[in-house]
Amino acid sequence: DIQMTQSPSSVSASVGDRVVITCRASQDISSWLAWYRQKPGKAPELLIYAGTSLYTGVPSRFSGRVSGTEFTLTISSLQPEDFATYFCQQASTFPWTFGQGTKVDVK
Amino acid sequence: QVHLVESGGGVVHPGRSLRLSCAASGFVFGEYGMNWVRQSPGKGLEWVAVISHDGSKRKYAESVEGRFSVSRDNSKNTVYLEMNSLSAEDTALYFCAKDRLIWFGESYGMDVWGQGTTVIVST
Repeated sequence: DIQMTQSPSSVSASVGDRVVITCRASQDISSWLAWYRQKPGKAPELLIYAGTSLYTGVPSRFSGRVSGTEFTLTISSLQPEDFATYFCQQASTFPWTFGQGTKVDVK
Repeated sequence: QVHLVESGGGVVHPGRSLRLSCAASGFVFGEYGMNWVRQSPGKGLEWVAVISHDGSKRKYAESVEGRFSVSRDNSKNTVYLEMNSLSAEDTALYFCAKDRLIWFGESYGMDVWGQGTTVIVST
């Protein structure tokens, strides 16, 4: 199975801050990676697919970058609704696997 | 409006069975693969199973292979998860999620999720 190593596990930030979250795949997955935001008590929401493509309706403050097997999610200016947990998911090969999650909380 | 609604969760004794359902609306159900994903209390996301748009292909996580079975009825816009030989490790919130499969092996992610149904396996 492809392992997804996500970091950091948590980050404390303020509204307006730039936040960067990283996922590293254990093998080549090309750009087959998705990012999700999960607000407390809610289902995950798709933010980014194919490594860098913004899903419909997702604000432009979210962006994705791919460099080999390293993937980054950047939130350019954190908003109140962005205090949540973020997960990456490789979508290259079954079984789909997720990163461990990054919790973004209030500094 | 695109919608997924899970049902069928509950409290069950170890070794028993349970069937979850997920009813879809607002999109052409028969054109999309469907997943089951679970989340244990306070933990991360674990993919459980996927079924292709027509039900001809299925894949499972190793942790449930041989115990769980995914199926679908496109005439009812519903996907199911039959869970057998349940153990405490299966206690979780179970989500169904619509997959944007390119083919049965690469995907643009899961873009519609239900709110989940809770399964508790306990004596």
